[in-house]
Amino acid sequence: RKEVEQDPGPFNVPEGATVAFNCTYSNSASQSFFWYRQDCRKEPKLLMSVYSSGNEDGRFTAQLNRASQYISLLIRDSKLSDSATYLCVVNMGGYNKLIFGAGTRLAVHP
Amino acid sequence: GAVVSQHPSRVICKSGTSVKIECRSLDFQATTMFWYRQFPKKSLMLMATSNEGSKATYEQGVEKDKFLINHASLTLSTLTVTSAHPEDSSFYICSAPLPEGQRVEQFFGPGTRLTVL
Repeated sequence: RKEVEQDPGPFNVPEGATVAFNCTYSNSASQSFFWYRQDCRKEPKLLMSVYSSGNEDGRFTAQLNRASQYISLLIRDSKLSDSATYLCVVNMGGYNKLIFGAGTRLAVHP
Repeated sequence: GAVVSQHPSRVICKSGTSVKIECRSLDFQATTMFWYRQFPKKSLMLMATSNEGSKATYEQGVEKDKFLINHASLTLSTLTVTSAHPEDSSFYICSAPLPEGQRVEQFFGPGTRLTVL
């Protein structure tokens, strides 16, 4: 079983749509969680950290369920500029090693 | 935010040659840096942890004699792909962690695209 699993997509949605991405992780000892965004042929960039209480940043909402080892990202009112691959990332703690999911590709069309 | 640079950004080489990639933290010190590899349409795979002043720690399945890592200073780590072959063609990315209060944020370099002919 992969350490971090995501639906690869692609998700093709119109502008203004709401889209949700899911992610599961296998190691219950994982300590911190993130969503990164990666544009084609570029390095990943941190989108947001994910906290147990859930957190929101503008149109983006992240949720963590430790009991189910499940992480989600909700994007509201999608923009064309949201088109990218969204990476679910888990920090195994200790040495700050990040384990990446394979990513979910989002394509927002007019 | 903090800046991590990589050099070169792109390299094309012949099979059998060695290629050195540099990763620098420009405005902070990093005793640890991480090297990743990403194949097309795949996720980043952690290759190794570079440790300043000691040996690198390699992930399972990564050949340490093929991917030589040297953490020469608190701001520089190098990855040398020795005797490169076409299957080594990939996008190589480094990252460096920086504590931000109680959190640690990873800053990524812009990546190096290696093509081995």
